Amino acid sequence: AQTVTQSQPEMSVQEAETVTLSCTYDTSESDYYLFWYKQPPSRQMILVIRQEAYKQQNATENRFSVNFQKAAKSFSLKISDSQLGDAAMYFCAYRRKETSGSRLTFGEGTQLTVNP
Amino acid sequence: DAGITQSPRHKVTETGTPVTLRCHQTENHRYMYWYRQDPGHGLRLIHYSYGVKDTDKGEVSDGYSVSRSKTEDFLLTLESATSSQTSVYFCAISDGARPTGELFFGEGSRLTVL
Repeated sequence: AQTVTQSQPEMSVQEAETVTLSCTYDTSESDYYLFWYKQPPSRQMILVIRQEAYKQQNATENRFSVNFQKAAKSFSLKISDSQLGDAAMYFCAYRRKETSGSRLTFGEGTQLTVNP
Repeated sequence: DAGITQSPRHKVTETGTPVTLRCHQTENHRYMYWYRQDPGHGLRLIHYSYGVKDTDKGEVSDGYSVSRSKTEDFLLTLESATSSQTSVYFCAISDGARPTGELFFGEGSRLTVL
């Protein structure tokens, strides 16, 4: 079974600084999706960024980028120029690609605090 | 935003009572999921559906049942609620035809079992 691990239960960053959230996963599959979801206090689950395993290029969405290390099974999220609105719980998630209806497997989450 | 509505959004009930949570979607997506969120565990899959009347268990299915009689509705039932089922429940949907892979989530239902 696939597992996803986020080893940092809490992180903090100063406004305008950069922070990196860590995620590792375990799978025997060769092609899959990885995601970072953001959950603000509103509880809504918001997709931040997506990576397909067969793509070597790291995904980027504005201030958010990932460092995808397939061999190491590592998928970290970098937030640049942190803003107060980035404060949230962040979840790393894995999904098999072969089966279109396959489930998402989540990590435990990292609570990010942004200090003004 | 994906059209997903969960009801009720908040519920307080007593141990031993039945509870049904409803997920309604307007996207005509084939796949629907129920997750629960607990501190330190992230989101864990309870049950999922891959079509009308087609459902399967997730990793924490004990004490829960589901039904899907229409594409748009996916019901989660706790036959006899226990305090360990106090949690926030999320419904999610996905369209197997999309190449992007993500799930879209409802706003969550907070259930408290006293």
